[in-house]
Amino acid sequence: DAKTTQPPSMDCAEGRAANLPCNHSTISGNEYVYWYRQIHSQGPQYIIHGLKNNETNEMASLIITEDRKSSTLILPHATLRDTAVYYCIVRVEKLGGGSNYKLTFGKGTLLTVNP
Amino acid sequence: GAGVSQSPSNKVTEKGKDVELRCDPISGHTALYWYRQSLGQGLEFLIYFQGNSAPDKSGLPSDRFSAERTGGSVSTLTIQRTQQEDSAVYLCASSLTSQETQYFGPGTRLLVL
Repeated sequence: DAKTTQPPSMDCAEGRAANLPCNHSTISGNEYVYWYRQIHSQGPQYIIHGLKNNETNEMASLIITEDRKSSTLILPHATLRDTAVYYCIVRVEKLGGGSNYKLTFGKGTLLTVNP
Repeated sequence: GAGVSQSPSNKVTEKGKDVELRCDPISGHTALYWYRQSLGQGLEFLIYFQGNSAPDKSGLPSDRFSAERTGGSVSTLTIQRTQQEDSAVYLCASSLTSQETQYFGPGTRLLVL
């Protein structure tokens, strides 16, 4: 799976949009971009994933650049409960066999939402 | 619907004792995974079950670790003769198939004294 690069930390004011960047310049054509987050002392929580097109769900939006070398996770109205470590992962999803099911989390971005 | 559940949520044990950690996956999910997360570290893959296929045990750190999944649902991770370095959060995840999104449980925090 391609390696990802994220800033170690970011701050955001409560109620504002949080934009978390991720670089994945070596991503392959069949690799998806996944985002998880981990709130302190809890298990990782799935947020969103995408391949080429921008995606939106009830939690967030995912913007993937046209060349797919980077993406941005957007939390439109951050709350204090969104303070967590956010992980960007790329993985092959539609490949038979292999070790693509082993998720590898890097260090992620610690997002701190301030009142 | 119900998510992945794990028990116990916390476990304190003495060095040398055996422990059993339980995972209840999301109903209908055929794939189940165990990971370990040591303090300040990333996720470490331990073992993977898919349906009735032989599990992928390639991530188990030693032969003191074993896991089973009975009836294609509940899984138990067993650590024999625990050591202090086994202290970590043990996370279970499940997915509809191995190609689908993995959903994690809350984890079991194991402390070996």
